[in-house]
Amino acid sequence: ETGVTQSPTHLIKTRGQQVTLRCSSQSGHNTVSWYQQALGQGPQFIFQYYREEENGRGNFPPRFSGLQFPNYSSELNVNALELDDSALYLCASSVGAGNYGYTFGSGTRLTVV
Amino acid sequence: GIQVEQSPPDLILQEGANSTLRCNFSDSVNNLQWFHQNPWGQLINLFYIPSGTKQNGRLSATTVATERYSLLYISSSQTTDSGVYFCAVMQAGTALIFGKGTTLSVSS
Repeated sequence: ETGVTQSPTHLIKTRGQQVTLRCSSQSGHNTVSWYQQALGQGPQFIFQYYREEENGRGNFPPRFSGLQFPNYSSELNVNALELDDSALYLCASSVGAGNYGYTFGSGTRLTVV
Repeated sequence: GIQVEQSPPDLILQEGANSTLRCNFSDSVNNLQWFHQNPWGQLINLFYIPSGTKQNGRLSATTVATERYSLLYISSSQTTDSGVYFCAVMQAGTALIFGKGTTLSVSS
């Protein structure tokens, strides 16, 4: 079975620009969660998508938005990028919301200059 | 919200040594997991352990839910054990709350 794949692996953007990150969930998983990990910190929950609907959101502003597609893949969009948005963005898939069987991808390293 | 504290923040070991990593949490939880983050950034699930004790090879974990802590034991450490170990808990059923991690360095 394939794991969670994220693209791109690295990205450099300019402050004020918009970015889209992509995640393909593990086969058989219908839930995708996104996390932001700043350097030296633990991951922080951004939001979760279950059956194409947002199913929980962390303390992130509305310029962080997402989508889930019928094949359970997902996108994370960030508008009006700020320098503090520089981080590793991790995607995790699971079967059902709250299930302990999380599989994480290797992340996208976003640098905002 | 719930607070998760991990100790020690950094740990340096010689190959073959044993170690204990600790995770304290501030409220009752229904989900607790230990992860290892490899040098490429991927989080690997080690244990799902909201209570009790589990073992997997050289690794074992114990959670005492009534006292709100969990311990991860690494025996006979190897250089490949290096990386960051995270404890994460869940309350509301959607968000994992992570600690700041313990960075382990094992030298040969």
